[in-house]
Amino acid sequence: DSGVTQTPKHLITATGQRVTLRCSPRSGDLSVYWYQQSLDQGLQFLIQYYNGEERAKGNILERFSAQQFPDLHSELNLSSLELGDSALYFCASSPDEGADGYTFGSGTRLTVV
Amino acid sequence: AQTVTQSQPEMSVQEAETVTLSCTYDTSESDYYLFWYKQPPSRQMILVIRQEAYKQQNATENRFSVNFQKAAKSFSLKISDSQLGDAAMYFCAYRSVNNNDMRFGAGTRLTVKP
Repeated sequence: DSGVTQTPKHLITATGQRVTLRCSPRSGDLSVYWYQQSLDQGLQFLIQYYNGEERAKGNILERFSAQQFPDLHSELNLSSLELGDSALYFCASSPDEGADGYTFGSGTRLTVV
Repeated sequence: AQTVTQSQPEMSVQEAETVTLSCTYDTSESDYYLFWYKQPPSRQMILVIRQEAYKQQNATENRFSVNFQKAAKSFSLKISDSQLGDAAMYFCAYRSVNNNDMRFGAGTRLTVKP
């Protein structure tokens, strides 16, 4: 157990739907990062939050949004889902800005049918 | 933008032998961090080793060591005395000191043969 908790572990939904992925960072970590891992594109950075504020943005689609709450947990919202959004979504956390590396959760497997 | 290249999609090694996984990166920065992550079949991403670019000494963690060649922008991972539990996807990653976008290579799938 890495200390980073992601729920749900698996999610199957239909095209056009909206889902929310949840992440609780390791205790004491202020930064949360979201990554998408798909077969053809590897690990892609989506977005980072630090202590409630958006700190960095990667290749995140406009249909996707995220936030970090005062208790430091984070949610990734995916809307108007397409078949190509099927992927493993990872959350990671770090104490600060991540110079020592990130601790990853076990991921949420999203399947869009 | 920084890119990370892992030119070996798959590698195999005999148990107890040594294997080296290659990684190169492209950057114009002088200071940065490099990482190797392991992803076993459980899909969990596990940090294996970390290197700071301003440190010339190669990082070592038990059976795992790196060969960091800054001028060549190369960061290879050596696994000594390979064990069955080392079988996994290995990802090389680059993180700038100036931004928080950790970039990953495409990964190398390591098979360990008994």
